[in-house]
Order: sequence, then C-alpha cells, then structure tokens
Amino acid sequence: GNSVTQMEGPVTLSEEAFLTINCTYTATGYPSLFWYVQYPGEGLQLLLKATKADDKGSNKGFEATYRKETTSFHLEKGSVQVSDSAVYFCALYNQGGKLIFGQGTELSVKP
Amino acid sequence: EAGVAQSPRYKIIEKRQSVAFWCNPISGHATLYWYQQILGQGPKLLIQFQNNGVVDDSQLPKDRFSAERLKGVDSTLKIQPAKLEDSAVYLCASSDQGPGYGYTFGSGTRLTVV
Repeated sequence: GNSVTQMEGPVTLSEEAFLTINCTYTATGYPSLFWYVQYPGEGLQLLLKATKADDKGSNKGFEATYRKETTSFHLEKGSVQVSDSAVYFCALYNQGGKLIFGQGTELSVKP
Repeated sequence: EAGVAQSPRYKIIEKRQSVAFWCNPISGHATLYWYQQILGQGPKLLIQFQNNGVVDDSQLPKDRFSAERLKGVDSTLKIQPAKLEDSAVYLCASSDQGPGYGYTFGSGTRLTVV
C-alpha cells in the first residue's frame, strides 16, 4: 500500500541553522509528492511539491528533490528563522488515489 | 480568492452527544475532502466528494459519522454519538485540479469530547 514515513520530532534548531527533515515513501506507480506546513492554530498550507522523479520543489527558501531511487523527498532549508517554527507534513498523491500524510515533524527554532 | 471556510473553530461536547461541522469550499472547486487529524498524527482522509457524489468513504466510521454535500457546494460532517476518541481537528479541503496539484485546506474545527 501507500505510506509516508517522516523523521520523528520535535526538531529544535538555533536561528540560521541548516534544516533537514527526512521523508521516505512507499507507493505503487509514480506518485506526486508534497510538503505541507501547519503553523500554530492554523490549517495546512502547501509549501512545495514535485510531480516526477528528479523534480525539485522550492518555496520560501525550502527545497525538496524527488528521489525515485531512494524513494525519498527530504525537506531542506539553508538558514532557518524563528518564523519557520511549525509542524511539517510530507504527503503523497497516487493516481486515482488520495492524499496520504506522514505523521508530521515539529520544528522549533530558537533565537 | 476566498479560502476554504470552516465553522465552528472550536467545539467541546460530552460523550454521546452529537455535533456537526460545516465547510464551504473555494468557489468552483468540484472536489471536497474531510480529514481527521488526531493530536500528534498526520491527517487521515474520512470522505471525498466529487460535486455532490461520494468518491471515497472507506475510512469513515459509518456507524457514527455521516457527511453530505448538497448541491455540490458546501458540506456538513456529523458525529452521532460522539466518543472520547473522536477528539481531533477536523479539516476540510477542496481542489479543482487534477492529481499532483495539492489541496487547499481550511483552518479546521477542533473538537474536544469530554
């Protein structure tokens, strides 16, 4: 079946540190991959996406590359800010299927 | 463009009571989803509508949950009777594009069952 596994949180970083949140997936076929972000008290917002192998999604300084050979879609940012503190969800959408989420990774950035 | 509207934002009820949530998707979005997000977990799809027809309700606990989307626009999700384990955030999302474009989510309704 289809599933998404994320690294466990919480992740605590100092401002300007480098961020990596690991995400791996299991899917049949060729899914589209997403990162969503949930700020405190708010709904999920689409952060970035990639629809085929080797695509790189990017937004607000965040990047993730669709790696089919390792079935991964790791989220990275070169220099995090306090305002990036949120819960990050990796998700996949399989043709004819539905959006399936990982369990989420909480990020806390300290000044 | 207005986002996905949900109400209420918060609801506290006693177990065995009933509750209803409302969602108004983005205008023109044919597909509407209800997700349940339990604290510390990722959202789980409960039901998917395409216009006013149900596409997928395989994970909806039909003995207590029901949902409808009259006229293919707004939707209501009902729980009757509620259990303690129903405490969660209920998220509504909508989409007008094909696979791969992601959904737009509302802010959710936080339900606490005591």
